[in-house]
Amino acid sequence: GESVGLHLPTLSVQEGDNSIINCAYSNSASDYFIWYKQESGKGPQFIIDIRSNMDKRQGQRVTVLLNKTVKHLSLQIAATQPGDSAVYFCAEEDAGTYKYIFGTGTRLKVLA
Amino acid sequence: KAGVTQTPRYLIKTRGQQVTLSCSPISGHRSVSWYQQTPGQGLQFLFEYFSETQRNKGNFPGRFSGRQFSNSRSEMNVSTLELGDSALYLCASSFNPGVNTEAFFGQGTRLTVV
Repeated sequence: GESVGLHLPTLSVQEGDNSIINCAYSNSASDYFIWYKQESGKGPQFIIDIRSNMDKRQGQRVTVLLNKTVKHLSLQIAATQPGDSAVYFCAEEDAGTYKYIFGTGTRLKVLA
Repeated sequence: KAGVTQTPRYLIKTRGQQVTLSCSPISGHRSVSWYQQTPGQGLQFLFEYFSETQRNKGNFPGRFSGRQFSNSRSEMNVSTLELGDSALYLCASSFNPGVNTEAFFGQGTRLTVV
């Protein structure tokens, strides 16, 4: 696809299983985080966000967990479907600089 | 509500030329950010504009520039193109980064420099 390099970590899951994608962020002062999904040939698509005053937030089939102690985010996708195949990025908002800092991404492959 | 619109979707240019890319943000969003995406470097921040003012610039050479108009539409320009400028250029629209607001991306402009 257009978005990622060949060295991206890849997670392969069976259709119907749950997926967990992990991300480490860099700035302990960051207080807002977003998960994006990027399909081949498309721009990143907003999935879910979380603020630092929360540990967990749920959306439709997705849950984001935030562990501020170890600066770690995870995205859980329930009952993974073929349409979930994409590259997933976490992003932290750098409040002092008006930008988002992106992780390197994880490629999710859903096996039929 | 319309999403973020980037034009053109694809461009092929030769080394030494210049290029202008356009981004129309979501209605009501005053912030437009630009990112370069390459396989080797991932998503790298170029610059951010808010109400026609550049508030931050990433670590890119001066050949990369941008501007924002009063209707919040933004353009970025790359002069004296190099092969290494080949990338997907993404525009992100938000209400105001830094206040816990979502950023929404366009489909990107795929620039190929030959």
